[in-house]
Formats: sequence, structure tokens, C-alpha cells
Amino acid sequence: GENVEQHPSTLSVQEGDSAVIKCTYSDSASNYFPWYKQELGKRPQLIIDIRSNVGEKKDQRIAVTLNKTAKHFSLHITETQPEDSAVYFCAANDFGNEKLTFGTGTRLTIIP
Amino acid sequence: NAGVMQNPRHLVRRRGQEARLRCSPMKGHSHVYWYRQLPEEGLKFMVYLQKENIIDESGMPKERFSAEFPKEGPSILRIQQVVRGDSAAYFCASSRITLLQETQYFGPGTRLLVL
Repeated sequence: GENVEQHPSTLSVQEGDSAVIKCTYSDSASNYFPWYKQELGKRPQLIIDIRSNVGEKKDQRIAVTLNKTAKHFSLHITETQPEDSAVYFCAANDFGNEKLTFGTGTRLTIIP
Repeated sequence: NAGVMQNPRHLVRRRGQEARLRCSPMKGHSHVYWYRQLPEEGLKFMVYLQKENIIDESGMPKERFSAEFPKEGPSILRIQQVVRGDSAAYFCASSRITLLQETQYFGPGTRLLVL
């Protein structure tokens, strides 16, 4: 089955700077890679996703890049704000099976 | 359009009791997934269901855990004879049926505490 690794586990960034979180996956057949944000005690919420037919996707301050050859994908948050503080999870699907395998999460702290 | 609903939000059980967790998918969604999240950890897949069918239960413990998604009503995750190690947040997610992998939307979770 799929295995997803996520780094770093914690990240502190000065407000206004950029944050980058990286994930690798093991199954070259995976074709869907979502990112979820989870605030303390809340549900995971989708912030952006990418399919394997594109290499990059952007939505305002958030972007995701995908390198299928190297089997890794990254989340980029620019101009960080205090409300970006949360735990972020990457995930990859099992091709032909819609279940998601999640990374272990990155706790992002934005320092005012 | 209501989102994914889960109840109860908090559940306290003593060891040996049964826990029943309910999930109502978003309107128009017929795929349901259950995930477990231990404190300070990620989400672990448990089971994937469609109406009246279990599609993938590879993440379910072999004993005490079962899930169903009947033709009418919510999906139910049932844990029999709970133990302290079952204490966790249980999230359900739902998605539509299409040819492509669809976005999974999560419910607010049920936080189970076993005393």
C-alpha cells in the first residue's frame, strides 16, 4: 500500500515570511494529492489539492507543486499570517481505491 | 447545504461497553470513509463504504470493530467491548461518485474517551 512521509514535523515562521512543507509518497500509481489544515479540536479542512496531470497549482497565498518522477509534493504558503497557525497534513490516494493515506502532520506556528 | 454530520461529538464509555458513532454524509455524497486520529498523531484510514457495501476495510482492527452504511440512515461505526486504547477522535468523511478521485469532506469528529 501507499506510504506517505511528511517533513518537518514542526515549523516556526515569522509572520510575513513563507512556509514550505514537503511530502514523499511510495506508490507511483497515486494520482491525487490533497492538503488539509486542522486547527486544534477542529475537523481537517481541505485547503488545496493537485492531480498528477499537472505540476503546480496555486490559490492566492497557497500553492502546491508535484514532482511525479521523484514522487514528492510540497505545500507553499506565502505572506504567512497568524491564522495560518495549525497542523497541516498531506495525503495521497491509492490508485483505483479512493482511500487516502495521510502524512504525520506538520505543526506550523506563525510568530507575530 | 449541510456538511458532514457526526454524532455524538463527545462520547465517554467505561471499559467493556459498546460505542456507536454515527455519520451522515453531505447531500449528494454516497461514499463514506472512517479515520481514527490518536492525540498528536495523523489520520489513519479505517474503512471505506458505499451504500450497503463495504469497499475496503483494510484499516479496521480484526476484532471488536464493525461498520455499516445502510440504504437508509447514517453510517455507523461500532466498537464493542471498548478498551482504553480505543480513546481517540474518530472522523468520518464523504465524497461523491465520479470517475475521478473526489474531494473528501470531513465531519467534526467524535471524541471517544474510554475510562
